[in-house]
Amino acid sequence: AQSVAQPEDQVNVAEGNPLTVKCTYSVSGNPYLFWYVQYPNRGLQFLLKYITGDNLVKGSYGFEAEFNKSQTSFHLKKPSALVSDSALYFCAVKPGSARQLTFGSGTQLTVLP
Amino acid sequence: GAGVSQSPRYKVAKRGQDVALRCDPISGHVSLFWYQQALGQGPEFLTYFQNEAQLDKSGLPSDRFFAERPEGSVSTLKIQRTQQEDSAVYLCASSQGTARPGGNQPQHFGDGTRLSIL
Repeated sequence: AQSVAQPEDQVNVAEGNPLTVKCTYSVSGNPYLFWYVQYPNRGLQFLLKYITGDNLVKGSYGFEAEFNKSQTSFHLKKPSALVSDSALYFCAVKPGSARQLTFGSGTQLTVLP
Repeated sequence: GAGVSQSPRYKVAKRGQDVALRCDPISGHVSLFWYQQALGQGPEFLTYFQNEAQLDKSGLPSDRFFAERPEGSVSTLKIQRTQQEDSAVYLCASSQGTARPGGNQPQHFGDGTRLSIL
């Protein structure tokens, strides 16, 4: 069965600094990987996905993620954090054999002014 | 509509009551998913519809949970004889194409229904 690990419950970063939110996965076969963001009392918003091709994927709001097959990781990054990026971030994996997403437990990102 | 719409946003029920949660997906979206999100956790899959057909209900936690999408658009998740452990946020998501194994279209989520069982 597939799984996703987000090892950090909380990440704090100063505004203007680069941010990284970590994600590792376990899945049989080729993975489809996703990042979503959730603001308080809202649903999940799609940020980006990795299907195949370039290991660096660019998404919405200046976010990007790097797929590393050997380390089974898909870390979310942004070169310069904004206070408005403060939210709950979820990594998700969908094996090629499945229809639904399997989510990690989430990482709360706080960007300090 | 412009996005996935869920109603009600908040529902409080007494233990033992039945509840019905509604999801109105993005117009034209074939695939519809229900997820359950417990406090402090990521969403967990409940069930999947392709048009009106319920193709996967492996995530439904018990036979008290029932979902339908009779006309291939609006879906209702029903929970009978609610228990306190049913308290969670219930999220609905839709995607444009069929969610065939191997498909990679992103799912678009509604804002969820926060269910509290007293």
